[in-house]
Amino acid sequence: GENVEQHPSTLSVQEGDSAVIKCTYSDSASNYFPWYKQELGKGPQLIIDIRSNVGEKKDQRIAVTLNKTAKHFSLHITETQPEDSAVYFCAASIDNDMRFGAGTRLTVKP
Amino acid sequence: EAQVTQNPRYLITVTGKKLTVTCSQNMNHEYMSWYRQDPGLGLRQIYYSMNVEVTDKGDVPEGYKVSRKEKRNFPLILESPSPNQTSLYFCASSLSMRSEQFFGPGTRLTVL
Repeated sequence: GENVEQHPSTLSVQEGDSAVIKCTYSDSASNYFPWYKQELGKGPQLIIDIRSNVGEKKDQRIAVTLNKTAKHFSLHITETQPEDSAVYFCAASIDNDMRFGAGTRLTVKP
Repeated sequence: EAQVTQNPRYLITVTGKKLTVTCSQNMNHEYMSWYRQDPGLGLRQIYYSMNVEVTDKGDVPEGYKVSRKEKRNFPLILESPSPNQTSLYFCASSLSMRSEQFFGPGTRLTVL
C-alpha cells in the first residue's frame, strides 16, 4: 500500500520567516495530495490540496508544489505568523485509500 | 452550521467492555471514515464508507467494527477493547475521497 513520509517532525521559525515541510510518497498512482492543519485540541482542517495533474498551487501565504517524477510534494508558508503554529499533516490518496504523514509541529516565535 | 459531531469526547473504560463511539454529519456527505491518531504515527485510517451499507477496511481495522445504516451516521464499535486501542479517534466526512474531509472534534479513549 501507499507509504507517506514527512519531514521534519518539528520546525521552529521566527515570525516573518518562511517554513517548508516536505513529504514523499511511494505509490505513483496516488493522485490527490491534501495538507491539513491541526490546532491544539481540535480536529485537522484542510488548508490546501493539489491534484496530480497540477504542479503548483498557491493560496495567499500558502503554496504546495508537486513533483510526480520524484514522488514528493511540499508545503510552503511565507511570512509566518504566530497563529500558524500548529501540527501540519500531508496525505496522499489513491482510490479510496488516504494515507497521512506522521505530522510536523511548527512553532512560530514572535 | 455544517459540522461533524462525535460522542463521547472523552472515555475511560476497562479491557473487554464493549463500547460505541458515535459520529454524525449534517452535510449530506457520502464518504465517511474513522482515523486514530497516535504520537509519531500521524493519522491512520481504520474504516471508511463510500455510501450507505458500503464499508471497507482501512489501514488498521483489527479490533474495530463500523456500520453505515444511514447516510449521516457512522458509529465505531469496539467489541472487546484492549489497552493498545488507547488513542485519539477522529471521524471525518467528505463528498468523495478526493475532496476536503471535515473532521470531528475527536474522542480521547483510554482502555485500562
